[in-house]
Amino acid sequence: NAGVTQTPKFQVLKTGQSMTLQCAQDMNHNSMYWYRQDPGMGLRLIYYSASEGTTDKGEVPNGYNVSRLNKREFSLRLESAAPSQTSVYFCASRRSLGQGYQETQYFGPGTRLLVL
Amino acid sequence: AQTVTQSQPEMSVQEAETVTLSCTYDTSESNYYLFWYKQPPSRQMILVIRQEAYKQQNATENRFSVNFQKAAKSFSLKISDSQLGDTAMYFCAFLLSARQLTFGSGTQLTVLP
Repeated sequence: NAGVTQTPKFQVLKTGQSMTLQCAQDMNHNSMYWYRQDPGMGLRLIYYSASEGTTDKGEVPNGYNVSRLNKREFSLRLESAAPSQTSVYFCASRRSLGQGYQETQYFGPGTRLLVL
Repeated sequence: AQTVTQSQPEMSVQEAETVTLSCTYDTSESNYYLFWYKQPPSRQMILVIRQEAYKQQNATENRFSVNFQKAAKSFSLKISDSQLGDTAMYFCAFLLSARQLTFGSGTQLTVLP
């Protein structure tokens, strides 16, 4: 049981390049989330997916797209990277109804992204 | 909108001593959840403790306990018998619905040998 995994761990992009951050969970959770963390700040929600096939915008969605490929995987795409998107990105998942403590989110190890 | 405030950017404590981290929040709702997450240098976010607002009893997890004051909208974390491995950034977080956690700006705790 690996929990929430993210790839890559670190990435450097040039302005205008595109990339996809991958996230997978093996805990059979329905809900998944993407956050970004900037220096000196807490995490802010980019997008979330309440269940397979659904996605919704969070607090800071501009410049990003997401795909909930299946129940396990939730990817975040930057179509045209900008220096303002330099950040640490965290994926999280949440227990489903009936699993107890379903309000708790479990986080992956994060992806450090540097946009030059 | 909900806000979470952590007014202590940095704190330090001697190993084996007790330290309390402060958190206040603002909401007009009555049913919600509060969390403390720990972020060590590895950057991973690790759940430390959770509290349901409808429960009057303060949550405890081994050396970690909270002082939840609903009327004052205060949610402090007490770490007893501090260990070097407790050195980390600690985030207070508020959850109104299952959709979005609102995080404070964090408190960097350093445990000194």
